[in-house]
Amino acid sequence: EPEVTQTPSHQVTQMGQEVILRCVPISNHLYFYWYRQILGQKVEFLVSFYNNEISEKSEIFDDQFSVERPDGSNFTLKIRSTKLEDSAMYFCASRKTFISGANVLTFGAGSRLTVL
Amino acid sequence: SQQGEEDPQALSIQEGENATMNCSYKTSINNLQWYRQNSGRGLVHLILIRSNEREKHSGRLRVTLDTSKKSSSLLITASRAADTASYFCATVLQSYNTDKLIFGTGTRLQVFP
Repeated sequence: EPEVTQTPSHQVTQMGQEVILRCVPISNHLYFYWYRQILGQKVEFLVSFYNNEISEKSEIFDDQFSVERPDGSNFTLKIRSTKLEDSAMYFCASRKTFISGANVLTFGAGSRLTVL
Repeated sequence: SQQGEEDPQALSIQEGENATMNCSYKTSINNLQWYRQNSGRGLVHLILIRSNEREKHSGRLRVTLDTSKKSSSLLITASRAADTASYFCATVLQSYNTDKLIFGTGTRLQVFP
């Protein structure tokens, strides 16, 4: 069964460093998302991406965050200057089409980011 | 309350028993979905119910939706130890310009063999 692949599975970084989290969505999917989950808390929406541009972003997704689809397969989340509170599990998700009432997402296994 | 609050926060049962989890939300929705998350892993879609549906079944799962009460329930029948996981409801708002999922707070289910 096709799956969403995320790398790295775990990254440890120093505060202030730049981090890039990578995702390979399912090949024929057109809509891409990043969510994050701080340990023990709910899953929060960060950003959605379609047709090579951001379609929606949350308040969390400030100027420190950016997303990119540099080629036909990868979808990346960059955090420019990490803060302690960025420590979380980051999930990439994708879906194929925009059919109203049928927006089921396929999630990757997540990238755990630890900021020291 | 938030868009997507679940109760109970945690539930412990024996294998073979049924598990019921509830989700309440505030704003009119397009659809409501349930996802499962094993510890430290990603979310897996279980079932979707549209706003014009009242009940849906998938295997041992039964989902109900009451839009007048803005609530949904997930019933897992004849539970197994492998059902141990966190379960999240997720809503999609009734709006043309958003399709993001808003997740609930989750219910941690422990099924003892």
